[in-house]
Amino acid sequence: RKEVEQDPGPFNVPEGATVAFNCTYSNSASQSFFWYRQDCRKEPKLLMSVYSSGNEDGRFTAQLNRASQDISLLIRDSKLSDSATYLCVVSRTGGFKTIFGAGTRLFVKA
Amino acid sequence: NAGVMQNPRHLVRRRGQEARLRCSPMKGHSHVYWYRQLPEEGLKFMVYLQKENIIDESGMPKERFSAEFPKEGPSILRIQQVVRGDSAAYFCASSLSGQGRNEQFFGPGTRLTVL
Repeated sequence: RKEVEQDPGPFNVPEGATVAFNCTYSNSASQSFFWYRQDCRKEPKLLMSVYSSGNEDGRFTAQLNRASQDISLLIRDSKLSDSATYLCVVSRTGGFKTIFGAGTRLFVKA
Repeated sequence: NAGVMQNPRHLVRRRGQEARLRCSPMKGHSHVYWYRQLPEEGLKFMVYLQKENIIDESGMPKERFSAEFPKEGPSILRIQQVVRGDSAAYFCASSLSGQGRNEQFFGPGTRLTVL
């Protein structure tokens, strides 16, 4: 079983739609969680960190459920520019290995 | 305030040659990570280095691959006797500290093609 699992998609949604991605992690010692965004053939860029209390940044909301070891990302009012691959990232505080999920592809269409 | 720099951006090698990939971290960052990304796959952690030290190389293949981060100059990922399966994008990232909560900033990557 992979340490970080994501639905690869693709998710095809119209502009303005709300879309949600989920990610599960297997190592209960994981302490830090992030969502990164990667555009085609570009480097990953941090979208947002994920905190236990949940956090929101504009149209993006991230949630962490430690009991189910599940992380989610909600995108409201999708824009064409949101089309990208979204990477779920997990690391252990005090440790150094950061595990990237394989990513979920999102296509937003006009 | 330059970001993470990697060179070359594209590298073509024939089987059996050596590939050297360079990474200069962001100013003030002393922690460097190397990842490999195969086409249509996620990033795979290879190695984590601080200045002059390899901290975690658990993702690095045991043979042909080596990495260093000298006191002066960029971090180097070296692949000896390349094979076709080494063709991939190699990304370098840097962070302010090694604690997991710190954001990693990525360079633009080096795309290695082995003929």
